[in-house]
Amino acid sequence: AQKITQTQPGMFVQEKEAVTLDCTYDTSDPSYGLFWYKQPSSGEMIFLIYQGSYDQQNATEGRYSLNFQKARKSANLVISASQLGDSAMYFCAMREGGTDKLIFGTGTRLQVFP
Amino acid sequence: DAGVIQSPRHEVTEMGQEVTLRCKPISGHDYLFWYRQTMMRGLELLIYFNNNVPIDDSGMPEDRFSAKMPNASFSTLKIQPSEPRDSAVYFCASSSAVDTWGEQYFGPGTRLTVT
Repeated sequence: AQKITQTQPGMFVQEKEAVTLDCTYDTSDPSYGLFWYKQPSSGEMIFLIYQGSYDQQNATEGRYSLNFQKARKSANLVISASQLGDSAMYFCAMREGGTDKLIFGTGTRLQVFP
Repeated sequence: DAGVIQSPRHEVTEMGQEVTLRCKPISGHDYLFWYRQTMMRGLELLIYFNNNVPIDDSGMPEDRFSAKMPNASFSTLKIQPSEPRDSAVYFCASSSAVDTWGEQYFGPGTRLTVT
């Protein structure tokens, strides 16, 4: 079974609008971390935000926030006030408490248009 | 502060040749990871080190692949002999056990093309 599922292969959003990128995960470990990475067309992987399973509040980093719904096992990335430079692939990843490994989803390609 | 450094950024080689990819992790980080990214298989973890010691190499595709970390500031991934199916982007990433969830910071990647 897939541990990380990103069901949206591609998303479009207009500049200055907010967009939500979906991520669901599967684990029986009560301790885990969830991460989002951005990969622009230049190829580098950029760490954006993370959420620990025991964190009470949703993580935020500037225009990025993580909508963490533990009961639903979802960790959606919300980008507010989209910019043209946000156009990229976005990957959700999970690290279970007992390991050092990150498991990545298949990614969502976001395109921001003027 | 300098991020993770990888070299070369691009490598084109012929089938059968030896390829060596290099990585310098962020200073002070005690974990180092090697990943491979392809369209077909996405991002795959090949091997990772903790304090220069290989911890898990279960992702290494076959004996043609080997990785070393002789010291805390340098690691290599070697493919010998290379094959066309090894063509991919290879990423190195590092992290610190001090960070609660050990977020990994990636290098710019090496795009390998084997003809």
